[in-house]
Amino acid sequence: DVKVTQSSRYLVKRTGEKVFLECVQDMDHENMFWYRQDPGLGLRLIYFSYDVKMKEKGDIPEGYSVSREKKERFSLILESASTNQTSMYLCASSPGQGAYGYTFGSGTRLTVV
Amino acid sequence: GENVEQHPSTLSVQEGDSAVIKCTYSDSASNYFPWYKQELGKRPQLIIDIRSNVGEKKDQRIAVTLNKTAKHFSLHITETQPEDSAVYFCAASRNSGYSTLTFGKGTMLLVSP
Repeated sequence: DVKVTQSSRYLVKRTGEKVFLECVQDMDHENMFWYRQDPGLGLRLIYFSYDVKMKEKGDIPEGYSVSREKKERFSLILESASTNQTSMYLCASSPGQGAYGYTFGSGTRLTVV
Repeated sequence: GENVEQHPSTLSVQEGDSAVIKCTYSDSASNYFPWYKQELGKRPQLIIDIRSNVGEKKDQRIAVTLNKTAKHFSLHITETQPEDSAVYFCAASRNSGYSTLTFGKGTMLLVSP
C-alpha cells in the first residue's frame, strides 16, 4: 500500500560528504516536494517540482539542490553536508494543480557527524 | 509569503475530553486549510480539510471551523481517545496554480486514559 517511498529510513553521514536522498512515488503525481521536519519548527519546504526537470525553491533551499529526471523520482542533494542539516526529511507528492492530496513518505532521519 | 501560527504547542487531555487546536494565517488569498496527523514514527496523514467557501466541516469526532475575516481556523476533537495521541499540523494554501502548503509548527496532543 506504500505509495511514496523514501530509500533510506536512517542515514549517518560525515561533515562535507555529498548526500543523496531518494524519493519515488507510484501514483503518477505531477508534483513532488521535499520538506524538512525539526522539533518546534514544523515542516519547512526545501524544494518542489511540478514537472520533470523542473524545480522551484521553497523557504529554506540553502545548502540543498534537487533533481527530477523522471516523473516518479525526486532526489534531494546535500552538496556538502553540515551538522545543522541533521534532521528528518519528508518527501511528498500530489496530483494536478493546487495543494490538494499531499501524500507523504515515511521520512529519512539524517544525522551528520 | 504565507505564515501559519499554531497553538498550543502541546496539549494534554483526559480520555473523553475535547481538544481544540488553533491556527492563524497571514495571506488573505489562502483558501485551502488541511489538517495532518502524525503518529510517532509515522508519516503525516490528512485527517480533514476545509475550503474557504464553507465555515465548518465535520467528520465523526473531528471538526474544523474557519473564520476568514479573522484569518483563523481550528481543529476540534471530541470524546478523545488514547489513539488520538499524535502531532497535529495545520496548513494553508492559495490552492491555485503551482501553490504549496505552508505548515504550522505542530501541536503534540497527549490523551491520557
